[in-house]
Amino acid sequence: KQEVTQIPAALSVPEGENLVLNCSFTDSAIYNLQWFRQDPGKGLTSLLLIQSSQREQTSGRLNASLDKSSGRSTLYIAASQPGDSATYLCAPDNAGNMLTFGGGTRLMVKP
Amino acid sequence: DGGITQSPKYLFRKEGQNVTLSCEQNLNHDAMYWYRQDPGQGLRLIYYSQIVNDFQKGDIAEGYSVSREKKESFPLTVTSAQKNPTAFYLCATSPRRFGGNEQFFGPGTRLTVL
Repeated sequence: KQEVTQIPAALSVPEGENLVLNCSFTDSAIYNLQWFRQDPGKGLTSLLLIQSSQREQTSGRLNASLDKSSGRSTLYIAASQPGDSATYLCAPDNAGNMLTFGGGTRLMVKP
Repeated sequence: DGGITQSPKYLFRKEGQNVTLSCEQNLNHDAMYWYRQDPGQGLRLIYYSQIVNDFQKGDIAEGYSVSREKKESFPLTVTSAQKNPTAFYLCATSPRRFGGNEQFFGPGTRLTVL
C-alpha cells in the first residue's frame, strides 16, 4: 500500500526566500504525481501534475521535480510571498485516477 | 459558471441521523470521488465512481453510501453507522475513467455532529 510522507510538516519563512517542500512515497510504480494547495477551510487547488515520464514541471514561480526510482518529489517555490501561505499536499497516483495523499506541509510566509 | 459545487457548506447532524452531502459538476468529467479530511491529516478516499451507475469503495467506506444516477451528480450519505462523522468532506472529479488524469476539487462541506 502506498505511503506518502511530507517534510517538513510546517515551515515559516520571511518573504522573498526560495524554499523547497519534500514529498516521499514508498511505491514507485506511479502514473503521475500531483501537487495541491489548500487554504484554511477551502478545497484543494491543483498546482502541478507531473507524469511518470517527466522529470519536472513548471508553472510561474513553482517548479516540481520527480525522481520516481527513489520515490521522491520536490516542490520549489521561488521568491516566496505572503499569499503563498497555505498547506501544500502531494499525491501520487498508483492505479490510474487513484490518489494517495501525504499529511501536507503548512507554509507561513511572513511579510 | 463551470466547476464543481458542493452543498451545503456547513452541516450539523444530530446523533442517529442520516445526512446527504451534494456534489454536482458541469465539467462533463467521467470520474467522481469523495474524500474525508480530519484536522492535520491528509485526505482519505471514501467512494469513487468511474462511470454512471457504477461506484467502488475506497479505504474508509464503512458508514457511508453513494449513488451515481447521473453523470453530473454524486451524492454522499453519511449514515448513523458512521461512528465519527465530524470532518471536512471533499468531492473531486477527473476527466476520464482511466489513464492517470488530473483531479479537481470542490469547495468542501464541513459536517459537525452535535
